[in-house]
Amino acid sequence: AIQLTQSPSSLSASVGDRVTITCRASQAISSALAWYQQKPGKAPKLLISAASSLESGVPSRFSGSGSGTDFTLTISSLQPEDFATYYCQQFNSYPFTFGPGTKVDIK
Amino acid sequence: EVQLVESGGGLVKPGGSLRLSCAASGFTFSNAWMSWVRQAPGKGLEWVGRIKSKKDGGTTDFAAPVQGRFTISRDDSKNTVSLQMNSLETEDTAVYYCTKGGPMGTYFDYWGQGTLVTVSS
Repeated sequence: AIQLTQSPSSLSASVGDRVTITCRASQAISSALAWYQQKPGKAPKLLISAASSLESGVPSRFSGSGSGTDFTLTISSLQPEDFATYYCQQFNSYPFTFGPGTKVDIK
Repeated sequence: EVQLVESGGGLVKPGGSLRLSCAASGFTFSNAWMSWVRQAPGKGLEWVGRIKSKKDGGTTDFAAPVQGRFTISRDDSKNTVSLQMNSLETEDTAVYYCTKGGPMGTYFDYWGQGTLVTVSS
């Protein structure tokens, strides 16, 4: 199975900060990567598919990049509603796998 | 509006069985590949299994930890997908989410609210 690692595992940031989360795959997965946001007690929400395609309704401050094994989720200006845990997921091959998550909290 | 509503969660003893259901609306269910994803308390997300649309074969795939114990079925006439869980283990304790797959069942573009399954004696 393809393993995904995320860094950092957690970070503290302030409103307005630029935040970057990295996801690394154990083997090349082309652009078959998605990013999700999960708030406590809620279901995850799809933010980005195919590494860089922003889902409809997701604010443009979110962006994704990368291909192969290295991917990045960037929040250009952190807003209060962005404090959450973020997961990457590969869909290059079964079994689909998720990264361990990055928790973004308030500094 | 897409809606996925899970039901059937609860407390079950190790070795027992449980059947989860997911009622879907707001999209053409028969064309969708559907997956179940779970999240153990305080842990990350884990893909459990997937069923293809009937026009794409209707076949299923499962993660290794549940292979041979869990099955997924669908009823396109009722817009429902079900997860049958047998020989449950304490490690199966989690919130189970029903998800709609993106194109060819890739990523998960819609999620239900989740249903909690607790396996404990």
